[in-house]
Amino acid sequence: AQSVTQLDSQVPVFEEAPVELRCNYSSSVSVYLFWYVQYPNQGLQLLLKYLSGSTLVKGINGFEAEFNKSQTSFHLRKPSVHISDTAEYFCAVSDAGTASKLTFGTGTRLQVTL
Amino acid sequence: DGGITQSPKYLFRKEGQNVTLSCEQNLNHDAMYWYRQDPGQGLRLIYYSQIVNDFQKGDIAEGYSVSREKKESFPLTVTSAQKNPTAFYLCASRAPGAITDTQYFGPGTRLTVL
Repeated sequence: AQSVTQLDSQVPVFEEAPVELRCNYSSSVSVYLFWYVQYPNQGLQLLLKYLSGSTLVKGINGFEAEFNKSQTSFHLRKPSVHISDTAEYFCAVSDAGTASKLTFGTGTRLQVTL
Repeated sequence: DGGITQSPKYLFRKEGQNVTLSCEQNLNHDAMYWYRQDPGQGLRLIYYSQIVNDFQKGDIAEGYSVSREKKESFPLTVTSAQKNPTAFYLCASRAPGAITDTQYFGPGTRLTVL
């Protein structure tokens, strides 16, 4: 069975500051990793994903994440946040072999203020 | 425009009533999923279907039922047996493939039991 841990339930940050949202996973097999963003009362939008290849993945809205297999982590970063980045961010993992089901973390609320 | 639609956006139900949530996709995806989202708990898988006329229980299937008679449609029925149905329900479909594997989400339906 797989699991995902997002240790920070909330991350407050000032506009134009850098941010890192942490994600650690547990799995006995190779994995695919995803970050999704959710704005209030909306569905989830894919930010970026790691399936294979380069461990540094770039996504939409200036976000990037790095897959670290030895530390079983997939932290999300942005060098300079904007007010519009305020949202809930979810990390998710699936088994690369079957890839049929996603296991989600509990989410991190990013609050950007002036 | 290709995408996933869910209807209605808001749904109110009296205790003891069954209710059906609609999910339609025109992305030609074989696999579809239903998740439940509660505050602070991330997304939990209710049911999923990898092909027409076939579906499997997820982690929290009790009190729910689904059907998959058409590739485009995957309706979810919340039955009166579901003890605490008030939640945000999200439908997703999946694009398979070694470099494309991704679940795409609909806008969600918020169900409130009165």
